[in-house]
Amino acid sequence: DAGITQSPRHKVTETGTPVTLRCHQTENHRYMYWYRQDPGHGLRLIHYSYGVKDTDKGEVSDGYSVSRSKTEDFLLTLESATSSQTSVYFCATGTSGGISYNEQFFGPGTRLTVL
Amino acid sequence: TQLLEQSPQFLSIQEGENLTVYCNSSSVFSSLQWYRQEPGEGPVLLVTVVTGGEVKKLKRLTFQFGDARKDSSLHITAAQPGDTGLYLCAGLLTGGGNKLTFGTGTQLKVEL
Repeated sequence: DAGITQSPRHKVTETGTPVTLRCHQTENHRYMYWYRQDPGHGLRLIHYSYGVKDTDKGEVSDGYSVSRSKTEDFLLTLESATSSQTSVYFCATGTSGGISYNEQFFGPGTRLTVL
Repeated sequence: TQLLEQSPQFLSIQEGENLTVYCNSSSVFSSLQWYRQEPGEGPVLLVTVVTGGEVKKLKRLTFQFGDARKDSSLHITAAQPGDTGLYLCAGLLTGGGNKLTFGTGTQLKVEL
């Protein structure tokens, strides 16, 4: 286990409210990722980080922002939640063992429901 | 557009049967991984294949990377109920940095 925790594990919120999900790791991995998982789509990358204060967009970044002020913490913020953002969100960390390898370790997920 | 297509999407079989899951793309990957995910948990890495034509075995699971590094397969021999789960392939695109592209997933159920 890579020692990845996510909080909260479950959240129900209303449309238009801001929401922040937290990912915490204890393995000192350089890379961190936020994904969403929806039926029929597998896992889709929202944002990722390749170091403290270094972040970049993934394929479904609209409506989301991230911050990484410490190696161990990666925050995902839904600026104004919409029903289309109802999903299960996974955080992952990655090792940097060369360009051909990127083993990722996943947290337990956060189930978010936007009413 | 989904870069990695998995088939079948769902598979329900009896204990002891063999099965194969496919992961296909028109893009070339520098490496490809297979993950298994159980309900309420995050995916867990099973294997990474790097070389075209590579075959790796993990007990009853056999993984193959296509010669052109555009596709992969997962074969399970004598499936057991403990193999039940969502199987995801994920590829590292050549020149894509450290971002994985995940497949659509195959939900496997093995019944007694």
